[in-house]
Amino acid sequence: DGGITQSPKYLFRKEGQNVTLSCEQNLNHDAMYWYRQDPGQGLRLIYYSQIVNDFQKGDIAEGYSVSREKKESFPLTVTSAQKNPTAFYLCASSILGTGTGELFFGEGSRLTVL
Amino acid sequence: GQQLNQNPQSMFIQEGEDVSMNCTSSSIFNTWLWYKQDPGEGPVLLIALYKAGELTSNGRLTAQFGITRKDSFLNISASIPSDVGIYFCAGQGGTSYGKLTFGQGTILTVHP
Repeated sequence: DGGITQSPKYLFRKEGQNVTLSCEQNLNHDAMYWYRQDPGQGLRLIYYSQIVNDFQKGDIAEGYSVSREKKESFPLTVTSAQKNPTAFYLCASSILGTGTGELFFGEGSRLTVL
Repeated sequence: GQQLNQNPQSMFIQEGEDVSMNCTSSSIFNTWLWYKQDPGEGPVLLIALYKAGELTSNGRLTAQFGITRKDSFLNISASIPSDVGIYFCAGQGGTSYGKLTFGQGTILTVHP
């Protein structure tokens, strides 16, 4: 079935460690996104990419890094520079060129810093 | 950045009751979307709106794109226990193609 797969679903990290969250889609979508979700704050955009080998910062990019080497993959690295990394992270993808704006989301990855 | 205010933040209702929630924006949007998120899952699209004044239904759900293009409403009729979850509005502006701004979410609890 087509969809977006995020892994791992749960991840624990010690302070000072970098961690990479995986996101893979087989929907043939051009654009991919990373959002962070905290209770009561909705979803905030971290990074997005509209084409392979290109990506743009969102509203809260500090302490995060991404790469887009393949159309299907958009991994997110949470670096030790991110001061409050404990959150629920959501990856999404969309078609470009239709103007619908609809995002398709993965099931999320919950990161906890110990 | 753009701000979306979503109200109410939470609702506790009895099964069978109707539900209304809304979002207002400080700027104009070209598209309004309503998503539902079940616990521990990613949001799923419920309704998408593309024209000012548009009224669209999806089963027991009805959403409207405000005339001013700065607000949107979602109504759920005859609620059932599986309606429980977090409902998000999201807007897309003219120069933010593919990027959505999300409201804070409405947490809905339905008592049987």
